[in-house]
Amino acid sequence: GENVEQHPSTLSVQEGDSAVIKCTYSDSASNYFPWYKQELGKRPQLIIDIRSNVGEKKDQRIAVTLNKTAKHFSLHITETQPEDSAVYFCAASIRGSARQLTFGSGTQLTVLP
Amino acid sequence: KAGVTQTPRYLIKTRGQQVTLSCSPISGHRSVSWYQQTPGQGLQFLFEYFSETQRNKGNFPGRFSGRQFSNSRSEMNVSTLELGDSALYLCASSPAGTGDYGYTFGSGTRLTVV
Repeated sequence: GENVEQHPSTLSVQEGDSAVIKCTYSDSASNYFPWYKQELGKRPQLIIDIRSNVGEKKDQRIAVTLNKTAKHFSLHITETQPEDSAVYFCAASIRGSARQLTFGSGTQLTVLP
Repeated sequence: KAGVTQTPRYLIKTRGQQVTLSCSPISGHRSVSWYQQTPGQGLQFLFEYFSETQRNKGNFPGRFSGRQFSNSRSEMNVSTLELGDSALYLCASSPAGTGDYGYTFGSGTRLTVV
């Protein structure tokens, strides 16, 4: 089955700096890659996603890049703010199949004021 | 529009007991998935239901089961509880049966087995 590895497990940045979280996946059939943000004690929330026919997608300060050949994808957060502090999860799945997301192990992002 | 509602929010059970958790998806959403979240194993897929049919099941023992009703509400059941079943159980709904529409997660049920 699919295996998703996520790095780093913890990341601390100064407010205003950029943060990058990287994930690799094993199943070349995976073609949908969402990112979730989970604040302490709250539900995971979808923040951005990308399909395999797209190399990059941006939404304000958040961007995701995908390298299908290398089977890795990354989340980029620019101009970080304290409210960006949370655990971020990447995931992978195969479009068109019964929904099953395989999640990475999560990255605890701390934005220092 | 109401979100995904999970009940109860917190639950304490004794080893050997069984438990039933409930999930009401967003109105109009027909796909409901369940995940177990633990500090050690992260988010792991349990099963997915669409139109009252289980279409996919994760790598969990048969003690974990579920069902979906005609109104798309779903329940999951865990029998013969073990200490290792202590976790946050998350339900997620999505509008389509297949495809890549993003999940909307509920707030979860925190199960503690003592």
